[in-house]
Amino acid sequence: QQQVKQSPQSLIVQKGGISIINCAYENTAFDYFPWYQQFPGKGPALLIAIRPDVSEKKEGRFTISFNKSAKQFSLHIMDSQPGDSATYFCAANRGGTASKLTFGTGTRLQVTL
Amino acid sequence: DAGVIQSPRHEVTEMGQEVTLRCKPISGHNSLFWYRQTMMRGLELLIYFNNNVPIDDSGMPEDRFSAKMPNASFSTLKIQPSEPRDSAVYFCASSLGTGRNTEAFFGQGTRLTVV
Repeated sequence: QQQVKQSPQSLIVQKGGISIINCAYENTAFDYFPWYQQFPGKGPALLIAIRPDVSEKKEGRFTISFNKSAKQFSLHIMDSQPGDSATYFCAANRGGTASKLTFGTGTRLQVTL
Repeated sequence: DAGVIQSPRHEVTEMGQEVTLRCKPISGHNSLFWYRQTMMRGLELLIYFNNNVPIDDSGMPEDRFSAKMPNASFSTLKIQPSEPRDSAVYFCASSLGTGRNTEAFFGQGTRLTVV
């Protein structure tokens, strides 16, 4: 059972554009929603995370938007740069379970010049 | 800090052979996780330990898979016998504490190919 659905599978954005990746979850017990960034040959690394008591969190060019009623959250990358080209994973977990994360299937982002 | 260290980085083995993957978590971290990444299924949690004790192994696919954590600085994931469908990238991750929103730090992974 896919508890966290992620789309699109791949995304091509021009330099300076906005990259948007969407995720939807099913388990209403989830209360922590991180995004991980993975470069080829590397392990995933935490990029930004949000809890459901806020609707938006921004860190630099990266913003998470969260819609609790729709059980959806998205990652926005403003002014996308070629160095942002990577695979992005959304994830979710329940309180008290540390890093036992349920991951989405990933989005491969390519930022072109 | 060197981060989470996994070895080997790449492993090619023949079907039926035993494979052992190794992980050294970040010093001081008390939770350790083994994930498997494939194109078809993405990142899946196999097992996680807290204070060297296996807490949840519900993600371990079959009895062919086993994991141990004999001490706070070392863990192994063993596959015996290995099968071609076990081919994947296996990640180890560690975190500090068991509280909410604790960041997981991933190693660089072991790419396993079973032929």
